[in-house]
Amino acid sequence: GQNIDQPTEMTATEGAIVQINCTYQTSGFNGLFWYQQHAGEAPTFLSYNVLDGLEEKGRFSSFLSRSKGYSYLLLKELQMKDSASYLCAVKDSNYQLIWGAGTKLIIKP
Amino acid sequence: GAVVSQHPSRVICKSGTSVKIECRSLDFQATTMFWYRQFPKQSLMLMATSNEGSKATYEQGVEKDKFLINHASLTLSTLTVTSAHPEDSSFYICSARDIGAGGNQPQHFGDGTRLSIL
Repeated sequence: GQNIDQPTEMTATEGAIVQINCTYQTSGFNGLFWYQQHAGEAPTFLSYNVLDGLEEKGRFSSFLSRSKGYSYLLLKELQMKDSASYLCAVKDSNYQLIWGAGTKLIIKP
Repeated sequence: GAVVSQHPSRVICKSGTSVKIECRSLDFQATTMFWYRQFPKQSLMLMATSNEGSKATYEQGVEKDKFLINHASLTLSTLTVTSAHPEDSSFYICSARDIGAGGNQPQHFGDGTRLSIL
């Protein structure tokens, strides 16, 4: 079966750095997405990786290792507004998005 | 950037009522739109894939006669929850992908509809 694993919840301190991991087992791979979802709102796109390596976008970076079926989202200089759920999603061989359950990130002052 | 408009944002109605939710791509065309449902503290669950000009593709376990999908144009898809009951209360979210974009482009989400059935 297809599976995406992320930690359920993480806590970090304002101004610090946090890394959210995602491992996947899917039938084929056509890219991995990270989305941010604030409570009661729809997801918003953060990043996309299809090749191995690190993609940096401001305070957020995303890393992919296809051979390991592994990705992480790195958030730097954490702000209180970064408190949200972070969803990892993989596009499989049929270009269907397989969603992880999301990681709830709690930022403390 | 690509904008998807979803309406209404919130619905509260009595059991047995049918509710229609609209999803529009405002500045791009989408041959395919996606309908998701999300229960509290759970991940997104794909309900169906809406295809312009043809029948929707429903995920296993989703009743097609209860969740009617109509993709009338390249910018509009509607989801109708027929004879809604309290167990249908959930957060419904649509998304769309630009027809002109490659397969690596993200889905753009509407703001979601919170449906509460009394």
